[in-house]
Amino acid sequence: QSVLTQPPSVSGAPGQRVTISCTGSSSDIGAGYDVHWYQQLPGTAPKLLLHGDNNRPSGVPDRFSGSKSGTSASLAITGLQAEDEADYYCQSYDNSLSTWVFGGGTKLTVL
Amino acid sequence: QVQLVESGGGVVQPGGSLRLSCAASGFTFSSNAMHWVRQAPGKGLEWVAFIRYDATNKYYAESVKGRFTISRDNSKNTLYLQMNSLRTEDTALYYCAKVPYPYSSGWYFDNWGQGTLVTVSS
Repeated sequence: QSVLTQPPSVSGAPGQRVTISCTGSSSDIGAGYDVHWYQQLPGTAPKLLLHGDNNRPSGVPDRFSGSKSGTSASLAITGLQAEDEADYYCQSYDNSLSTWVFGGGTKLTVL
Repeated sequence: QVQLVESGGGVVQPGGSLRLSCAASGFTFSSNAMHWVRQAPGKGLEWVAFIRYDATNKYYAESVKGRFTISRDNSKNTLYLQMNSLRTEDTALYYCAKVPYPYSSGWYFDNWGQGTLVTVSS
């Protein structure tokens, strides 16, 4: 069982906006640790999508954005494209366990 | 550009051992902390271990503590994961990942290798 909780799946039609939630606790997100997001396309290694809650590495489209409030964070994808179909993971740090922690992952399906 | 290439995976019986390697290039390996992250077949990501750039600090997930050892050879630009007392639940694709900033613990992973598959089965 993952420390951070994500919905197992979300879906949306091309052009639409979808959000993926990531719920933690007072020892991780709620303790002020940043949330980071990774995209994993089928059969490939994870790729950093957002870091520090809402910072995009070079090459990541501005259709991807993040937010954080309290013990939760969200990833928003606007203008959904077929190539966005992938698994998405949130990640933070847990100071009670002294470990880096991931969400269980969310499978995005583009209808 | 940054390259991380894992090797050493394979099939091993429960109770056996394996040593994974991660060859790094394209950045100053000796200045960056590194992690191992694994992914069981069809499952999500699980953080496994961390090592500081100078190997003075190491941290492990509870699930591997006492059985796995992370190490590095900065003269060879190589990261290692010694896995002992392997269990069926250790079956996974093992990725090495680097932190983004030199001389920091690094709260996230900015580059990942392609992974090496470890299968623990009798």
